[in-house]
Amino acid sequence: EPEVTQTPSHQVTQMGQEVILRCVPISNHLYFYWYRQILGQKVEFLVSFYNNEISEKSEIFDDQFSVERPDGSNFTLKIRSTKLEDSAMYFCASSSGGGDTQYFGPGTRLTVL
Amino acid sequence: QKEVEQNSGPLSVPEGAIASLNCTYSDRGSQSFFWYRQYSGKSPELIMFIYSNGDKEDGRFTAQLNKASQYVSLLIRDSQPSDSATYLCAVNRVGAGNMLTFGGGTRLMVKP
Repeated sequence: EPEVTQTPSHQVTQMGQEVILRCVPISNHLYFYWYRQILGQKVEFLVSFYNNEISEKSEIFDDQFSVERPDGSNFTLKIRSTKLEDSAMYFCASSSGGGDTQYFGPGTRLTVL
Repeated sequence: QKEVEQNSGPLSVPEGAIASLNCTYSDRGSQSFFWYRQYSGKSPELIMFIYSNGDKEDGRFTAQLNKASQYVSLLIRDSQPSDSATYLCAVNRVGAGNMLTFGGGTRLMVKP
């Protein structure tokens, strides 16, 4: 069964450093998403991406964040200068259609020290 | 602000019983409704989706949607200890970037 994959599973970084989280969405999916979940809190939407551009972004997704689909399979989330409060699980998701089910990857746990 | 509300629980049921999980949402434009299961430290895993008013059954799971009352529920029949997890309700307004808005989840504990 096709699945979303994410690397790394755990990333530890120093405050102020740049991190890139990587995702490989399900191969025939066209819509891609990033969500995050701070420990003990709700899953929160960050950004959606379709047709090589951002469709929607939340207030969380400020200038420190960017997304890219550098090739036909990868979808990345970059945080330019990490803050302590960026520590969270980051989930990538993909869907075949706009209102269709979003399938989540296993997540990357980001720890900012 | 678009909100999705769930009772955080824990909801404790004995093995074999029916577990009933509820969710309300504030955005009347919501069109797609999803139930995800999340084990501790893991990612959300789809249980069911529902788009139309009424009931939708899939094995031991039944999703119920009432758009007039802005209410969606999940029933789990013959609950098993392996069903113990946090159940997340999520809603989607198609076209608004297709973002899912999640509730805080209800923790279900099924006691053997």
